[in-house]
Amino acid sequence: DVKVTQSSRYLVKRTGEKVFLECVQDMDHENMFWYRQDPGLGLRLIYFSYDVKMKEKGDIPEGYSVSREKKERFSLILESASTNQTSMYLCASSPDAGGSQYFGPGTRLTVL
Amino acid sequence: RKEVEQDPGPFNVPEGATVAFNCTYSNSASQSFFWYRQDCRKEPKLLMSVYSSGNEDGRFTAQLNRASQYISLLIRDSKLSDSATYLCVVHRSGYALNFGKGTSLLVTP
Repeated sequence: DVKVTQSSRYLVKRTGEKVFLECVQDMDHENMFWYRQDPGLGLRLIYFSYDVKMKEKGDIPEGYSVSREKKERFSLILESASTNQTSMYLCASSPDAGGSQYFGPGTRLTVL
Repeated sequence: RKEVEQDPGPFNVPEGATVAFNCTYSNSASQSFFWYRQDCRKEPKLLMSVYSSGNEDGRFTAQLNRASQYISLLIRDSKLSDSATYLCVVHRSGYALNFGKGTSLLVTP
């Protein structure tokens, strides 16, 4: 079974803090993704990576950056957290371009 | 036209009923299609891939109509445990997928 884990299930941060969300997958997948999910807006792609050290912007990259130093690990960084970044953050991995994606359990982030 | 459109529901059906969800997509070049299931406050999980010839997995049947850019999911003999949100997912381009906002299903006793 594919396993995607995320560092925290719940996180509370203050406005202006730098926030790190970590994601690890154990299936040697090439591709990893970060989404946020908000009521009424569905899943929106923030960034993705198709190889170590390679990254591409998704639909809503503003205010975020990512890091992929090892194949199994993909980090999402909120450089200076703001209240409008309060959301559920979901990491996913996939073995193939355009193939099915496997999700981690999500991190519910609240920014106060 | 939105990239992936679904009726948000909710669909309220009794146990044992048959229910069908539809989804339309805008990118005629899309090559792969999926249905995901998402339980409340949980992550989306792959339910099934959708193939041009149609495919079945137990009580679930998925159909693809490329000409009309339309995907369907049929659930037969609904169970209480089928209550969830069903996401229609379509390959966008390259590595990315487009997720619909989901159709909510509630199966009642």
